[in-house]
Amino acid sequence: DAKTTQPPSMDCAEGRAANLPCNHSTISGNEYVYWYRQIHSQGPQYIIHGLKNNETNEMASLIITEDRKSSTLILPHATLRDTAVYYCIVRLTGNQFYFGTGTSLTVIP
Amino acid sequence: GAVVSQHPSRVICKSGTSVKIECRSLDFQATTMFWYRQFPKQSLMLMATSNEGSKATYEQGVEKDKFLINHASLTLSTLTVTSAHPEDSSFYICSAKGGQGNTIYFGEGSWLTVV
Repeated sequence: DAKTTQPPSMDCAEGRAANLPCNHSTISGNEYVYWYRQIHSQGPQYIIHGLKNNETNEMASLIITEDRKSSTLILPHATLRDTAVYYCIVRLTGNQFYFGTGTSLTVIP
Repeated sequence: GAVVSQHPSRVICKSGTSVKIECRSLDFQATTMFWYRQFPKQSLMLMATSNEGSKATYEQGVEKDKFLINHASLTLSTLTVTSAHPEDSSFYICSAKGGQGNTIYFGEGSWLTVV
């Protein structure tokens, strides 16, 4: 599975949009982009995933560039409960997840 | 929605003893389960992949005789840490693949402390 690169940490003001970038320049055509987050001492929580098109659900939006070499996870109105480590993972359907180092997002009151 | 449950959530054991952690898929059949280990302030490291009814596949560097994985049914996988030592103290997380769309769901994790 392709490797991803994420900034180690980010801050975001409460109520503002949090934009978390991810580079996956070696992604192959049939690999999906997944986002999970992990709040301290809990198991990872699924957020969203996509292949080519932008995706939106009740938690977040996923913007994937046309060349698929990078993506951005958008939390539209960050709350204090969104403070967590966010993992961007690219994966072939059916394969296991390999986690990178993720981005530690801190939402500031 | 689908839920993966781990038990126990926290366990303390003495050095040299063995401890078993269970991972259950509560409302779907999991053909494949995965075990991860996470040390403080580090990312999740995949330890092994287990398919129901067959031997687990271990990642490079993971001792299969120390971390015994059994996936005897479509809803249960167990990880047994044998002859545990303090350096095995960690957060162990399982995930299960199944349900609609063959999605992967993660458990809540199990804290192991070896004293």
